[in-house]
Amino acid sequence: KQEVTQIPAALSVPEGENLVLNCSFTDSAIYNLQWFRQDPGKGLTSLLLIQSSQREQTSGRLNASLDKSSGRSTLYIAASQPGDSATYLCAVSNNNDMRFGAGTRLTVKP
Amino acid sequence: DAGVIQSPRHEVTEMGQEVTLRCKPISGHDYLFWYRQTMMRGLELLIYFNNNVPIDDSGMPEDRFSAKMPNASFSTLKIQPSEPRDSAVYFCASRSAGYNYGYTFGSGTRLTVV
Repeated sequence: KQEVTQIPAALSVPEGENLVLNCSFTDSAIYNLQWFRQDPGKGLTSLLLIQSSQREQTSGRLNASLDKSSGRSTLYIAASQPGDSATYLCAVSNNNDMRFGAGTRLTVKP
Repeated sequence: DAGVIQSPRHEVTEMGQEVTLRCKPISGHDYLFWYRQTMMRGLELLIYFNNNVPIDDSGMPEDRFSAKMPNASFSTLKIQPSEPRDSAVYFCASRSAGYNYGYTFGSGTRLTVV
C-alpha cells in the first residue's frame, strides 16, 4: 500500500524567502504526482502535475521535481509571499488510487 | 468551465438522519472520485467511478455509506443513518481518462452530525 509522507508538517518563514517542501512515497511504480494547495475551509487547488516520465514542472514561482527511483518529490517556492500561506498537499497516483500526504502548513510572515 | 460542483456546501444534521451529498463532475471527465477529509485521517478515497460504473468501493467505511452515479453529470453519496463520527469534509473530484491528466476537486461539503 502506497504511503506518502510530507516533511515538515509546518513551516513559518519571513516574506521573500525561498523554501522547499518535501514529499516521499514508498512505492515508486507511480503514474503521476500532483501538488495541491488548500486554504483553510476551502477545497484543493491543483498547482502542478508531474508525469512519471518527467523530472520537473514549473509554474510561475513554483517548481516541482520528481525522483521516482528514490521516491521523492520537492516543491520549491521562490520569493515567498504572505498570499502563499496555505497547506500544501502532495498526492501520488498508482492506477486510480491517489494517496495524499498529511500536508505541510506554510505560513509566510509579512 | 464551472469546475466540479458540490452541494450543499454545509450540512448539519441530527444523528440517525439520512444525508445526501451531490456532485456534478466536469463535462467530459470519465472518472469521478469521492474523498473524505478529517483531521485525524487526512484525505481518504471512499469510492470511484469510471464511465458511471463503480470500480472500487473498498474505502467506503460501512454499509451505511452508499454512492451512485446515474449519469455522466451527477453523483450522490448517501449516509443512512448518519453518526457523529461521520462529521468531515467530503470532496468530489473528477478527471479525464489517461494518466496525463490530474484530478480537479470540488469545494467540498462540510458535514456535521450532532
